[in-house]
Amino acid sequence: AQTVTQSQPEMSVQEAETVTLSCTYDTSESDYYLFWYKQPPSRQMILVIRQEAYKQQNATENRFSVNFQKAAKSFSLKISDSQLGDAAMYFCAYSRDDKIIFGKGTRLHILP
Amino acid sequence: DTEVTQTPKHLVMGMTNKKSLKCEQHMGHRAMYWYKQKAKKPPELMFVYSYEKLSINESVPSRFSPECPNSSLLNLHLHALQPEDSALYLCASSQDGSGGEDTQYFGPGTRLTVL
Repeated sequence: AQTVTQSQPEMSVQEAETVTLSCTYDTSESDYYLFWYKQPPSRQMILVIRQEAYKQQNATENRFSVNFQKAAKSFSLKISDSQLGDAAMYFCAYSRDDKIIFGKGTRLHILP
Repeated sequence: DTEVTQTPKHLVMGMTNKKSLKCEQHMGHRAMYWYKQKAKKPPELMFVYSYEKLSINESVPSRFSPECPNSSLLNLHLHALQPEDSALYLCASSQDGSGGEDTQYFGPGTRLTVL
């Protein structure tokens, strides 16, 4: 069975600094998708970034980038130039077919 | 446009009430989902409606029943709920849901309180 592990329940970063959130997963499949979702206090799950497993190039979206290590089954999220609006719960997720598996989340605090 | 809308935003109901949650997407997606999320936990999948076929998480009690009137609407009917059903209910949709484009886009959620 597939699993997703986020080992950092909470993290803090100074505004304008860089922070990396960790995620590891377990699967025997070779084709799948990986996601980072952000859930601020407003509750809506917002897609931050997506990675297709068959693509070796790491996905980037503005200040957000991932370090995808397929062999190591690792998928970390780097947030550069952290902003107050980045404060949220971040969920790492694995998806294949119509099933998505979430990690337990990392609460990110931004310190002014 | 990646918008999924949900109504109502908040709902308070008694254990004998019957209510419905509504979810709508206008992205032409073929799969829609209902999730339940308790505080400080990840979402838990309840139902998937993909290509007119319903898949059910077997742990979901029968007091929850989904209905898909058309390809852009997915309702969740609630009946005889228990206080432990109080949670945030999230709806999502994806383009394909059957091994193709799997990105799920979420609605803002309905905060349900059962008294």
